This record gives sequence, structure tokens and C-alpha cells, in this order.
Amino acid sequence: AQSVAQPEDQVNVAEGNPLTVKCTYSVSGNPYLFWYVQYPNRGLQFLLKYITGDNLVKGSYGFEAEFNKSQTSFHLKKPSALVSDSALYFCAVRGIFGTGTRLKVLA
Amino acid sequence: NAGVTQTPKFQVLKTGQSMTLQCAQDMNHEYMSWYRQDPGMGLRLIHYSVGAGITDQGEVPNGYNVSRSTTEDFPLRLLSAAPSQTSVYFCASSLQQGYNEQFFGPGTRLTVL
Repeated sequence: AQSVAQPEDQVNVAEGNPLTVKCTYSVSGNPYLFWYVQYPNRGLQFLLKYITGDNLVKGSYGFEAEFNKSQTSFHLKKPSALVSDSALYFCAVRGIFGTGTRLKVLA
Repeated sequence: NAGVTQTPKFQVLKTGQSMTLQCAQDMNHEYMSWYRQDPGMGLRLIHYSVGAGITDQGEVPNGYNVSRSTTEDFPLRLLSAAPSQTSVYFCASSLQQGYNEQFFGPGTRLTVL
């Protein structure tokens, strides 16, 4: 069975600082990994995905994610956070989603 | 392209009532799915379809039915609503199951009294 864990319910970061939102996964076979973002009262929007190839994946709005096979992790990162990045972030492996991490960027 | 559309946006039901949540996509995607979103639970897969005429159960299928008569439409039926079905429901579609990103509709907020 495949599963995704997002260990942090909320992450707070100051504007301009780097941010990391953590995700670990468990899957048999190739891990097709995704990050999505949800703004209030909206559906989810795709940010980026890892299928194969380079372990560092670049996505929308300056976000990137690092695939680490040995640690079965796929952490979402951004070098400099913006207040507008405040939202709910979901990691997914294939069609299975984590519980979400609320990112709050403080001005 | 309208993308993925869902109707209604909001619905209030009484316990025992039935209703259908509509979902349509105009991207010619083969894969469609229904999720429910509850606080602290993330998104849980209810049912999915890999193509017209083919449906399968997800993680939490009890109390829900689906059908897929066309590529475009994937309605979700609540047979006899219960308060535990109070949730926000999202429909999504993608080119194929698993390794393509999903496109989500705006959601339906359902309250069962």
C-alpha cells in the first residue's frame, strides 16, 4: 500500500527566509510524487512533480522539491518566502494525499 | 477550456436525503476522481475512473456511488445522506492515473443536518 506523511500541521516562517515543508512517502515501485497548493475556498493547484531524472525538481511560483530515495522524502522548498505563499500544501504519491501542511509566512 | 467544473457549490441536505454532485471536464482526460476533504484528514479518495465505463473504489467509498458513461462527466451520488458525509468534495481529472498531475474543480461544500 502507498502512503504519504506530512509530519507538520503548520509551518511558520518570516518573509524573505527560506522555507521547507516536509513530506515522506511509502510506495512500491516508482514513486510518482506531487506537490499541490490550496488557497482558501479554492480547489488544489499543481505545483510540481517528480517522475524520474534529476532529484531537484523546479515548479511554479519559485518552488522546488528535492527527491531523496534513501530517506523516502520529497520536501518542498523555496529560497525566499513571500506572504502570498501562505496557504495549505499537500504532498501526494500517485493519487494518495497527505494530510496537508499549513504554511504561514509572517511579514 | 473551462477545466473541471462542479455543481452545486453549496448544498444542505437532511439526513436520509439523496443527491448527485456533478463533475465535468473538457480536457479529454481519461482519469477522473472524487475526494472529500475534512479538517486534519487531508484529501481522501472516494471513487475513481480510468475511462468511460470503468469505475473503482477508493479509500472511503461507503455511502457513495459513481458512474462514468462519458469521458467528460463523472457524477457522485449520495444514496442516503448522513451527518458524517458533511465535507468538502473535490472532483479531479488527469490524462492518466498516477503519473500525471491532477486538475481540481472548485469544490462542493456539503452539510448534512
